[in-house]
Amino acid sequence: DVQLLESGGDLVQPGGSLRLSCSASGFIFSNYFMNWVRQAPGKGLEWVSSIGGSSDNIYYADSVKGRFTSSRDNSKNTLYLQMNSLRAEDTAVYYCAKIGGSYRSFDSWGQGTLVTVSS
Amino acid sequence: EIVLTQSPDTLSLSPGERVTLSCRASQYVTSTYLAWYQQKPGQPPRLLIYAASSRATGIPDRFSGSGSGTDFTLTISRLEPEDFAVYYCQQYRNSLWTFGQGTKVEIK
Repeated sequence: DVQLLESGGDLVQPGGSLRLSCSASGFIFSNYFMNWVRQAPGKGLEWVSSIGGSSDNIYYADSVKGRFTSSRDNSKNTLYLQMNSLRAEDTAVYYCAKIGGSYRSFDSWGQGTLVTVSS
Repeated sequence: EIVLTQSPDTLSLSPGERVTLSCRASQYVTSTYLAWYQQKPGQPPRLLIYAASSRATGIPDRFSGSGSGTDFTLTISRLEPEDFAVYYCQQYRNSLWTFGQGTKVEIK
């Protein structure tokens, strides 16, 4: 079974930094695009970033471009999201999600980790 | 960026009823890249439908998807108690993914 486990969420001050991790198991991690999707409290889903299996293709939503950096370590089956210059509007549950092949849909999700940006 | 608009925002229904949820795109969406998700409180989303009309693994056949171009539909043929949740559509184009704002299906 596919398992995705996020960690690293915390309370951070505006302008601060945080790194999230997502540990994956149950599939060949390096074969799949991996993604971050976030959900602000009481709001809908917002795609944040996607990274290809060999880190050759990395994409970002405009709302985080230049502030967030996705990376992965295929030897550790782990996905990362480095978040800098954090703002109050970045407060959300951050989910790690696996792309299911060529259909570009998210077929497996982690339970999420909460990031709160507040002074 | 393609904007997805779902309607209605909220539906109040009883178990056993038929449900039709709409997802309208601001530009053409390739059917291959249109998906639907279900999310219950405190849980991550679950993939229901991919490629506009294909059910994901383990999804009951009371869930079906249809549509093309800019108009897509998720249908639940007969609501079960566990189906009360929020439903999102999602599209992919040009290395960008977007979600609709969601439709909440609540118990009447």
